Amino acid sequence: ILNVEQSPQSLHVQEGDSTNFTCSFPSSNFYALHWYRWETAKSPEALFVMTLNGDEKKKGRISATLNTKEGYSYLYIKGSQPEDSATYLCAFLYGGSQGNLIFGKGTKLSVKP
Amino acid sequence: NAGVTQTPKFRVLKTGQSMTLLCAQDMNHEYMYWYRQDPGMGLRLIHYSVGEGTTAKGEVPDGYNVSRLKKQNFLLGLESAAPSQTSVYFCASSSLAGEGNEQFFGPGTRLTVL
Repeated sequence: ILNVEQSPQSLHVQEGDSTNFTCSFPSSNFYALHWYRWETAKSPEALFVMTLNGDEKKKGRISATLNTKEGYSYLYIKGSQPEDSATYLCAFLYGGSQGNLIFGKGTKLSVKP
Repeated sequence: NAGVTQTPKFRVLKTGQSMTLLCAQDMNHEYMYWYRQDPGMGLRLIHYSVGEGTTAKGEVPDGYNVSRLKKQNFLLGLESAAPSQTSVYFCASSSLAGEGNEQFFGPGTRLTVL
């Protein structure tokens, strides 16, 4: 059974703090690793899709790294703002999966002003 | 472009009733998916389709049926609703050509089965 683990489950930070989350996934048969941002009462939106070992991607204050050999990815948020409050999902795509993503349960971030 | 749309947004059913949820996408995507989201469980795949006329089971298919008669539409049916099917249902689509198969999600349908 393929499993994607995210930690921590939830995180409370103050505005201006920097933070990071972890996603662990199977290191074999890797095809891609996705990060999605999911605000309350909305639908998930893709932040990053990463396919190569050593990939680093950045979007504003948010960045992500990927290590496919050891099966982990980090998401970093620099200088958190209240509008960053959301659940951050990672999802693993393996070769031959016909596009099916295996989702982690997410890290819920709350940023206090 | 509307992206991915879902109908209805909310629905309350009684046990044993049937209903169909409609997902439509205007991005010409080949792949479409139905997920359910329950507290503490994350997103779980119910059924998916890799093209018009094809469907396949996901992680939690029992109690649901699907059809993909047109490329842009993916229907999820509940033949005899049960309280365990109370959930928020999300549809998503993705392109065969997209890098790493990024999925685009609809706004969700909140279903309550009494």
